[in-house]
Order: sequence, then structure tokens, then C-alpha cells
Amino acid sequence: AQKVTQAQTEISVVEKEDVTLDCVYETRDTTYYLFWYKQPPSGELVFLIRRNSFDEQNEISGRYSWNFQKSTSSFNFTITASQVVDSAVYFCALSETSNTGKLIFGQGTTLQVKP
Amino acid sequence: NAGVTQTPKFRILKIGQSMTLQCTQDMNHNYMYWYRQDPGMGLKLIYYSVGAGITDKGEVPNGYNVSRSTTEDFPLRLELAAPSQTSVYFCASTTRTSGNWGQYFGPGTRLTVL
Repeated sequence: AQKVTQAQTEISVVEKEDVTLDCVYETRDTTYYLFWYKQPPSGELVFLIRRNSFDEQNEISGRYSWNFQKSTSSFNFTITASQVVDSAVYFCALSETSNTGKLIFGQGTTLQVKP
Repeated sequence: NAGVTQTPKFRILKIGQSMTLQCTQDMNHNYMYWYRQDPGMGLKLIYYSVGAGITDKGEVPNGYNVSRSTTEDFPLRLELAAPSQTSVYFCASTTRTSGNWGQYFGPGTRLTVL
């Protein structure tokens, strides 16, 4: 069965600290997609990144970076120099490739960045 | 493009009432989904559709029904509302172009059943 685990329920940091959000997944598929979404207090879901299982290159986008490691089934997300506006719930998700595109979400990590 | 739109944004129902949550997308996506998000939890799939006329159950389908008569619309029906259905409902759509499964989400409908 496919599963996504975000072991960190809540993280609190002070502004300008770096913070890493962990995501561990389980799947028997050899090809799959991983996603990170942000849900700010306003409630909408904001797409951050998508990763293919056959592309293990790590990615940096501004203050965001992602570390994908198939060997440990992890897809961690780091925010460098956090800001108050980064305060949100962050979800990691896994998409199976059985022609349905269904997403399996983790429980989410609530990040609070204090000024 | 408006993307994925959902109506209403908020609704309060009494136990036993029925309602339909509307979802429309204007991106010509074949795939559409309904998720629910309970407080402090991740999203769980209720129903999905891979094209007009085709629907299937997700992880938590009990108490809901869907239909997909057009590519654009994917309404979710609650027949006999129960307090356990108090949740935020998200509709999403995607296309498989270039093997891309990135989903576009609507703004959500916050439903309270009292």
C-alpha cells in the first residue's frame, strides 16, 4: 500500500532560521511522483514542487530546496532564512501511476515562524 | 482561465439535509477529484473521475455520490448530511500531458453539519 508520513506535526522557528520538513513515503511503484503543497492560513492549497521518481536531482528555488533520496524513500523540504510569511501547513503527497493520478497526502506539518 | 472553481465557499447544513457541492474547471482536464480535509489532517480522496461518464470511489466514499456528465463539471452530492461530514472539501483536476500529474486545486468549500 502507498503511504506518506510526515512525522513532524508542528515546528516552531524564529525568523531567519533554516528549517527542514521531513517526508517519508512507501510505494511499490517504480515510477511515481512526489509533491509538496503549502496551505497558508487562508486555506487554499498552493503547489510548490513536483518530482519524478527517476529524477533524483535536488532542486533549489530561491529560499526553498528539496532533497529527494530514493534509497531512503525520503523527499525533504528545506526553507532557508525562514520568514513569517512561510507560516503555513505543508503537505507532502505521492501520486501513483496507475492512470488515475490520485494523490496520497501526508498528515501535514504546521510551521510557525516567529518574528 | 479561472482554473478550478467551487461553490459554495461556506455552508451550514442540518443533520439529514442534502446538498450538492459544485466544481468546474476550464482547463479541459480529463481527471478530476474530490478530497476532504478534516481539522488537523491531510486530504483524503472521496471520489475521482478519469473522464466524462467515468467515476470511481476513493478512500472515503461513504455518504457521497458524484457524476461526470461533462469534462468541465464534477459535482459532489451529500444525500443525508451527518456531523461526521463536517470538513473542508477540495476539488482538483489534472491532465496527463507529458506524464505530468500536478493537480490544480479549487479554493475549497467549508461545510458544517449541525
